[in-house]
Amino acid sequence: DAGVIQSPRHEVTEMGQEVTLRCKPISGHDYLFWYRQTMMRGLELLIYFNNNVPIDDSGMPEDRFSAKMPNASFSTLKIQPSEPRDSAVYFCASSLVRDRVNINYGYTFGSGTRLTVV
Amino acid sequence: DQQVKQNSPSLSVQEGRISILNCDYTNSMFDYFLWYKKYPAEGPTFLISISSIKDKNEDGRFTVFLNKSAKHLSLHIVPSQPGDSAVYFCAAGEGGSEKLVFGKGTKLTVNP
Repeated sequence: DAGVIQSPRHEVTEMGQEVTLRCKPISGHDYLFWYRQTMMRGLELLIYFNNNVPIDDSGMPEDRFSAKMPNASFSTLKIQPSEPRDSAVYFCASSLVRDRVNINYGYTFGSGTRLTVV
Repeated sequence: DQQVKQNSPSLSVQEGRISILNCDYTNSMFDYFLWYKKYPAEGPTFLISISSIKDKNEDGRFTVFLNKSAKHLSLHIVPSQPGDSAVYFCAAGEGGSEKLVFGKGTKLTVNP
């Protein structure tokens, strides 16, 4: 398996433009997570899905952010309109349901999309 | 309000010595904890985990210790190697949820 695939790796856009980040999770994984990493706030969970259904979007900062998972192999995170403060590295991760006995559990992260809004 | 705190932004150790990375948490509902390692331009990778029913878990050179009364966990790397140089994130989760809360990370540098 190629792992979690994110595209693009880098995105530079002007303030006010729409930005769409893409993620292909590992086949068979039940959960998909979108995280954002900044120097100030570290890794923050934005939203996560279980079997393509959004479970918790309490981390989505504003209405400008939206995420979809139309099928088990694809998810998007959209920012419209983008602002300079959205500049960050956005990570997608996927996982199986946690093994509550052995706790040999961990998300598999993609390599991230570095977003710069100028 | 940070529920998972890594108070040391960086740590430098000599090759062959022990590296100790620390993490504190505030949410008493957390019952499983993980450490992730991150190299530049890559996503974090899972390293080791521990359930709250244990106080120690070991995997090769890596050992995680959990002190529930102090709400503190630590990662020990023995012996440290230059390839261990990376950012280490502590993460925690509650039993009924799959989501993880991460600390801000500690950058470990292992000098040859």
